[in-house]
Amino acid sequence: GAVVSQHPSWVICKSGTSVKIECRSLDFQATTMFWYRQFPKQSLMLMATSNEGSKATYEQGVEKDKFLINHASLTLSTLTVTSAHPEDSSFYICSAKMGDYQPQHFGDGTRLSIL
Amino acid sequence: AQTVTQSQPEMSVQEAETVTLSCTYDTSESNYYLFWYKQPPSRQMILVIRQEAYKQQNATENRFSVNFQKAAKSFSLKISDSQLGDTAMYFCAFWSGTYKYIFGTGTRLKVLA
Repeated sequence: GAVVSQHPSWVICKSGTSVKIECRSLDFQATTMFWYRQFPKQSLMLMATSNEGSKATYEQGVEKDKFLINHASLTLSTLTVTSAHPEDSSFYICSAKMGDYQPQHFGDGTRLSIL
Repeated sequence: AQTVTQSQPEMSVQEAETVTLSCTYDTSESNYYLFWYKQPPSRQMILVIRQEAYKQQNATENRFSVNFQKAAKSFSLKISDSQLGDTAMYFCAFWSGTYKYIFGTGTRLKVLA
């Protein structure tokens, strides 16, 4: 149980395009979803926390206009990287949890490469 | 603020041997959770083991066990009978039970044949 699916697993696109990454909780309702970014050989950096039906809470230094997060339902959150540039290339991981005091369950990540 | 420190950037161990990865943390909370996650080259985050601070007994999962020292704020991971598939980055994480996880910087473990 507690499976989180992330799609796509790998995307390559041209500079200036927008890219949407989906995070789905397959067998539970996720009250909260998290988006992380991971640079090579580094730890996970929390970008934002999203609760269903409300605006995401962004960590300090993360551009909310660049990284749009939508958590429209209890099983789906999306991260859109707008007008992506090569410096946005990274590994993005989502996670979801069922409720307060419940642990996070991680998706398999998305490798984003901007040419 | 809570912090998590993993002081060993890289470690190696011979296959079938035992290795211990260290993790220390700082918090003023009395109840919290601690995790070890494994991230193999595929980059999935795999939960290895979890410890609740109010439980004195150390958690174990097959070949993986922890040495949880609450007073010392230490949470080390012992891997017994190391296997080639254990080669991965290992992250220690702290969670107060609300809001976000605090991750350590990771330890890259290589199991040698």
